[in-house]
Amino acid sequence: RKEVEQDPGPFNVPEGATVAFNCTYSNSASQSFFWYRQDCRKEPKLLMSVYSSGNEDGRFTAQLNRASQYISLLIRDSKLSDSATYLCVVCNNAGNMLTFGGGTRLMVKP
Amino acid sequence: NAGVTQTPKFRVLKTGQSMTLLCAQDMNHEYMYWYRQDPGMGLRLIHYSVGEGTTAKGEVPDGYNVSRLKKQNFLLGLESAAPSQTSVYFCASSEDRKGNQPQHFGDGTRLSIL
Repeated sequence: RKEVEQDPGPFNVPEGATVAFNCTYSNSASQSFFWYRQDCRKEPKLLMSVYSSGNEDGRFTAQLNRASQYISLLIRDSKLSDSATYLCVVCNNAGNMLTFGGGTRLMVKP
Repeated sequence: NAGVTQTPKFRVLKTGQSMTLLCAQDMNHEYMYWYRQDPGMGLRLIHYSVGEGTTAKGEVPDGYNVSRLKKQNFLLGLESAAPSQTSVYFCASSEDRKGNQPQHFGDGTRLSIL
């Protein structure tokens, strides 16, 4: 079993739709969690951290469920520019190593 | 502000050749990392460094060596390139070891081994 698992997609949604991605992780001692965004042939960039209480940044909402060991990312009112691969990232309990999921590809269509 | 710079951006090697990938950061970050990204695999950590003069193995270190002689530079070496090392290589840096510090990535190096 991979340490961090994501549905690779692609998720094809129309503009304005709401879409959600889940990610599961295997190490219950994982310390912190992030969502990164990666555009085609570009480097990953931090989208948002995921806090235990859940957090929101504009149209993006991230949630963490430690009991079930998954995190989620919700995107509301999808824009064409949201088309990218979203990487779920988990930091180990030592705080010095990130493990990346394989990514979920999102394609927003007009 | 350049951030994290990787050179070269593209390279084609023959099996058995050696090469070094250079990563430079201008943010005075302590931590630096080398990842490889393969289709469907996500990013996998090759080696990392917690400070000048230190290196440590990541998830997939075999076939690679690294050096951190200067704080701003982290070099990744392939002594004898193999086709399995065909990949996109990303360097990253972060301010310290706390998990809530984001990692800043370079643009990547696309390496093909024939």
